Amino acid sequence: QSALTQPASVSGSPRQSITISCTGTNSDVGSYNLVSWYQQHPGKAPKLIIYEVTKRPSGVSNRVSGSKSGNTASLTISGLQAEDEADYYCSSYASNDTLGVFGGGTKLTVL
Amino acid sequence: EVRLVQSRAEVKKSGESLKISCKGSGYSFTSYWIAWVRQMPGKGLEWMGIIYPGDSNTRYSPSFQGQVTISADESISTAYLQWSSLKASDTAMYYCARPWWDLPSPLRSWGQGTLVTVSS
Repeated sequence: QSALTQPASVSGSPRQSITISCTGTNSDVGSYNLVSWYQQHPGKAPKLIIYEVTKRPSGVSNRVSGSKSGNTASLTISGLQAEDEADYYCSSYASNDTLGVFGGGTKLTVL
Repeated sequence: EVRLVQSRAEVKKSGESLKISCKGSGYSFTSYWIAWVRQMPGKGLEWMGIIYPGDSNTRYSPSFQGQVTISADESISTAYLQWSSLKASDTAMYYCARPWWDLPSPLRSWGQGTLVTVSS
């Protein structure tokens, strides 16, 4: 069982927006602005797309955004495109785990 | 450009030993941690452990403590993940990754992964 809880799957049509939630506790997500999101296409290594809750590394589309409220972080992808179909993982620093924690992952399907 | 290149896929039998590698380039290898992350077939990402090649400071996830050994050779800018006795349940893809800055930090750069298949 993963430390952070994500929905197993979400789906959306092209040009729509979707949001993926990532629920932790006040020992991780709720206490630190150190939530990251990773995108993983089939057969590929994960790629960092959001860090420190809301920041995007250079080269990541501005259709991708992050936010947090309480113990839940969220990833929103707007203007869905076929290339967004992938698995998404959240991660957070945790006070009781020196390495941090991952969510179980969410499969995004673009209909 | 930061680059992490991992060793090729391995097929092993239960009980055998294995050491896989991750060679860093494009940055000062001894100045950044290197993490190992497991992904079992069809499953999510799991932290295994992390090493600071500059002083070999190593931290393990409780789930992997005593099950694997993480090491590094700064002279050839390479980190290692090794098993002394593989189990079928070790079948997985293993990624090395480099945090963007000092811990705590997101994992900015990733290797291509090493697939380890263990048959019983």
